[in-house]
Amino acid sequence: AQSVTQLDSQVPVFEEAPVELRCNYSSSVSVYLFWYVQYPNQGLQLLLKYLSGSTLVKGINGFEAEFNKSQTSFHLRKPSVHISDTAEYFCAVASSGEYGNKLVFGAGTILRVKS
Amino acid sequence: NAGVTQTPKFQVLKTGQSMTLQCAQDMNHNSMYWYRQDPGMGLRLIYYSASEGTTDKGEVPNGYNVSRLNKREFSLRLESAAPSQTSVYFCASSVVSWYEQYFGPGTRLTVT
Repeated sequence: AQSVTQLDSQVPVFEEAPVELRCNYSSSVSVYLFWYVQYPNQGLQLLLKYLSGSTLVKGINGFEAEFNKSQTSFHLRKPSVHISDTAEYFCAVASSGEYGNKLVFGAGTILRVKS
Repeated sequence: NAGVTQTPKFQVLKTGQSMTLQCAQDMNHNSMYWYRQDPGMGLRLIYYSASEGTTDKGEVPNGYNVSRLNKREFSLRLESAAPSQTSVYFCASSVVSWYEQYFGPGTRLTVT
């Protein structure tokens, strides 16, 4: 079965420190990759997406992610986090066929930014 | 544009009661989805509708039914609520079924 693995369930980090949230997927075909953020008591909103082209994708709020086809990874990074980045982050993968024509979400990573 | 709207925002049911969660989108999207979110379990797909007139089961369909009323609206029905259905329910939509999804604000359901 196809899967998306977010390697850390929680990531604590101090304010202004860099952070990386890790995401690996299993697929041998072309995929489309997404990162979503969920702030407390809210729905999910799209942070960034990779469809094709440059493997480094920039999103909202200073986040970026790098698509690595050989490692089947799509890790999310931010060079300096703020308290307001405290949220849960979801990686998602889709392909036109292999994932059954729909997005498959990872289990989520809770980012806790401490002052 | 309101995006994806869900009603109600909160609901408390007794075991055995029924209810329908409503979802509507104004983005002319073809595909719509219902998810449930439970602590530590991420998002689990209940049902989805790839296009108007079609619905398919997701990962956890038992105890639920759906209706794609038209292109805009996709409802989720609990015929006989159980405590195991206590959860936060999210509706989402997308242009096509493999593309980015837009989420509603969620419905918090408690079944006692």
